[in-house]
Amino acid sequence: DAKTTQPTSMDCAEGRAANLPCNHSTISGNEYVYWYRQIHSQGPQYIIHGLKNNETNEMASLIITEDRKSSTLILPHATLRDTAVYYCIVRVGSYSGGSNYKLTFGKGTLLTVNP
Amino acid sequence: DSGVTQTPKHLITATGQRVTLRCSPRSGDLSVYWYQQSLDQGLQFLIQYYNGEERAKGNILERFSAQQFPDLHSELNLSSLELGDSALYFCASSVVERGGLNEQFFGPGTRLTVL
Repeated sequence: DAKTTQPTSMDCAEGRAANLPCNHSTISGNEYVYWYRQIHSQGPQYIIHGLKNNETNEMASLIITEDRKSSTLILPHATLRDTAVYYCIVRVGSYSGGSNYKLTFGKGTLLTVNP
Repeated sequence: DSGVTQTPKHLITATGQRVTLRCSPRSGDLSVYWYQQSLDQGLQFLIQYYNGEERAKGNILERFSAQQFPDLHSELNLSSLELGDSALYFCASSVVERGGLNEQFFGPGTRLTVL
């Protein structure tokens, strides 16, 4: 799996957009970018994923650069409940078999949304 | 609420003891995954069951075992406990056999403390 680099922590004001960056310069052509978050000691929660096109769902938007070496997760209107650790994971898609379904992550970005 | 339930929420025990963690998957999900999350190791995949059968093993110690019952609930048994086994243990479930990272739904976890 490609290695990812995220800032240790970020702050955001409530109601503003939170932009969380992730570098994955060694990403392969068949690897997707996934984002998860974990609110303090709760179970990890899937947010969004994408291959090369920008993606949007009810939770967030994912912007992937054209060279796919970095991406940004955008929470358009951050709330206090969005305070969590956000994890960027690069992995081949579920159709590819292998061990891609075994979720693992280490450090992520602690996003603190301030009132 | 993901629909995955785990009991107990907290467990405090002594070294050398044995404990059993329980997981009930979402209604209709046949796959159950067990994960361990510790401060120094991050989230690690332990083992997966699909419709009662073991499908994949990750970094699971020989002192640990699991099973999935006919009603699809699963139990993770940890024996000869050591201080280093203190961690959060998560269960996830998915409909498909090899649920991709976007297809797994996590429970609230069991916090195990070994004294």
